[in-house]
Amino acid sequence: VVTQSPSASASLGASVKLTCTLTSGHSSYGIAWHQQQPEKGPRYLMKLYSDGSHSKGDGIPDRFSGSSSGAERYLTISSLQSEDEADYYCQTWDTGIQVFGGGTKLTVL
Amino acid sequence: EVRLLESGGALVQPGGSLRLSCAASGFTFSNYAMSWVCRAPGKGLEWVSGISGSGGSTYYADSVKGRFTISRDKSKNTLYLQMNSLRVEDTAVYYCAKGAHSGYDYVDYWGQGTLVSVSS
Repeated sequence: VVTQSPSASASLGASVKLTCTLTSGHSSYGIAWHQQQPEKGPRYLMKLYSDGSHSKGDGIPDRFSGSSSGAERYLTISSLQSEDEADYYCQTWDTGIQVFGGGTKLTVL
Repeated sequence: EVRLLESGGALVQPGGSLRLSCAASGFTFSNYAMSWVCRAPGKGLEWVSGISGSGGSTYYADSVKGRFTISRDKSKNTLYLQMNSLRVEDTAVYYCAKGAHSGYDYVDYWGQGTLVSVSS
């Protein structure tokens, strides 16, 4: 239902755009983005609607933003910091089921 | 402040049972759906089970249907996962997660997890 690239990398201070692709039949669905730093529990970042509007979780910095285009949902992280090195997951849902993408491992160079 | 504290993880033999608990605080527990999500070694997050805010609806991944049972006790603000007939492939860190609404959709808070190891 949702696919993600397994890895991404970008330099300290730069920006990176991660992609979550919804499969056909689900292209209008909203998603949620979650971050999991090494050895920690996941953290909710934001819900992202098909029109690109998003609502962020408590305390999520402005450096994190979301956007949408067709079946693709994006997470953009600007001014990358070392603590942004983590796994990022998109989550969608349907009646009685939640689905997570395989995750993208972000390396900050 | 929303807090979710899992407990009950342990080393158990294949075929054994465990009950995980998740103590919730900082929100009106019965107003929100809840989920269990796991992460196996070397793998990504995987949805396991969910329950509506009222407890009237429960949901399971195909891999655990018939073996795991989710429940909630609103008097104790606690979510449970009864795990029976455990398999080696159930080995994972199990996270409790709070739903964003009473109905079942996405999660907006997570616990720190509890480790379940299934091995002989």
